[in-house]
Amino acid sequence: DAGVTQSPTHLIKTRGQQVTLRCSPKSGHDTVSWYQQALGQGPQFIFQYYEEEERQRGNFPDRFSGHQFPNYSSELNVNALLLGDSALYLCASSLGEQGTNVLTFGAGSRLTVL
Amino acid sequence: AQSVTQPDIHITVSEGASLELRCNYSYGATPYLFWYVQSPGQGLQLLLKYFSGDTLVQGIKGFEAEFKRSQSSFNLRKPSVHWSDAAEYFCAVVEVWGKFQFGAGTQVVVTP
Repeated sequence: DAGVTQSPTHLIKTRGQQVTLRCSPKSGHDTVSWYQQALGQGPQFIFQYYEEEERQRGNFPDRFSGHQFPNYSSELNVNALLLGDSALYLCASSLGEQGTNVLTFGAGSRLTVL
Repeated sequence: AQSVTQPDIHITVSEGASLELRCNYSYGATPYLFWYVQSPGQGLQLLLKYFSGDTLVQGIKGFEAEFKRSQSSFNLRKPSVHWSDAAEYFCAVVEVWGKFQFGAGTQVVVTP
């Protein structure tokens, strides 16, 4: 049973560039959330997608955007990269927009901005 | 606004000794509380969760946590640690469902 898969695992970009990160949820899950984890910090909530719509959003600028596809997979896009965007980006999936189902996390995509 | 505090950034424990990791939260209503563990190069793995009911919760890998409303705490414990328990541990609370707020984490080092 495949868990949450993310790609790429590592990438390096320069300031001002754009990046797209991808996530496939665990089989049977339909909700995807994205988190940013800076070095030495806990994960910070970016947004959640359910039924191909952004349902909730954390305190992140509009440079951060996302998409969910009919097969429940998701993309995170970051435009106009800043040095401070360097972090581990975690995707988590769950079943249903609300309920008592917990998050299953992927291993993350580590983004370095130079 | 709610918050989650893990007072200990780093803990060193001997293999076979007991471990307790502290977590305090600030939240108006009855919280949903979680402990996750993150090993190097890995995502976060759920250890245990508390929604309601019995305040002592059992999790995987021999971990347990106790919810104390009067102290706004949800401390994680393990009676005897193994070298494989070396990892970073995160306490989290759910504000609006799906929007987890994590503490800054506690790094656990296990010595022989």
